[in-house]
Amino acid sequence: GAGVSQSPRYKVAKRGQDVALRCDPISGHVSLFWYQQALGQGPEFLTYFQNEAQLDKSGLPSDRFFAERPEGSVSTLKIQRTQQEDSAVYLCASSLSTGKLTEAFFGQGTRLTVV
Amino acid sequence: SQQGEEDPQALSIQEGENATMNCSYKTSINNLQWYRQNSGRGLVHLILIRSNEREKHSGRLRVTLDTSKKSSSLLITASRAADTASYFCATDDNSWGKFQFGAGTQVVVTP
Repeated sequence: GAGVSQSPRYKVAKRGQDVALRCDPISGHVSLFWYQQALGQGPEFLTYFQNEAQLDKSGLPSDRFFAERPEGSVSTLKIQRTQQEDSAVYLCASSLSTGKLTEAFFGQGTRLTVV
Repeated sequence: SQQGEEDPQALSIQEGENATMNCSYKTSINNLQWYRQNSGRGLVHLILIRSNEREKHSGRLRVTLDTSKKSSSLLITASRAADTASYFCATDDNSWGKFQFGAGTQVVVTP
């Protein structure tokens, strides 16, 4: 596709429910990032993939958060037993290479509301 | 935790005026990038400046970087209503380009 695509755009979950958020990066992009953005704040890093390898998951807030990218393309961020504090916009970004000077392209995000 | 801090938090100007916002960061960086985010949308990359560069231009945008002060500024000249958005600086400090963002500056440009 032309850009990074995320689905769903909006998700309302009841507290305790599991959710899965999908990211389709730009074709051929090696690097994939997940960020969490609370209202009025900047994006906070969650995790990073280089192809299918998850090289950094230091930003995942708890063991309820899990991300995968099994074939080095589409990625899924799963949140188990959602809590109200998980309400945020979840942004996915991809970049062409793993170098230091690469521009990251962001998707529109998934707005998760936990009620 | 967020690496960068933007200043001011909010900025309101009229069309045609210049808008300047600053970003300060804490650790050494490889490069610094500026992004724009319109309400409810994803982030759009504006400009990247390398750690060994001091100034960069792109259209109406001018970015400066002072690594000794660990700060950067973004200047938007001749602002337009369409420039209304939040602006974020992002830094990466490791080999694979993990970006850390500040809290952003919310810019409102009134006609």
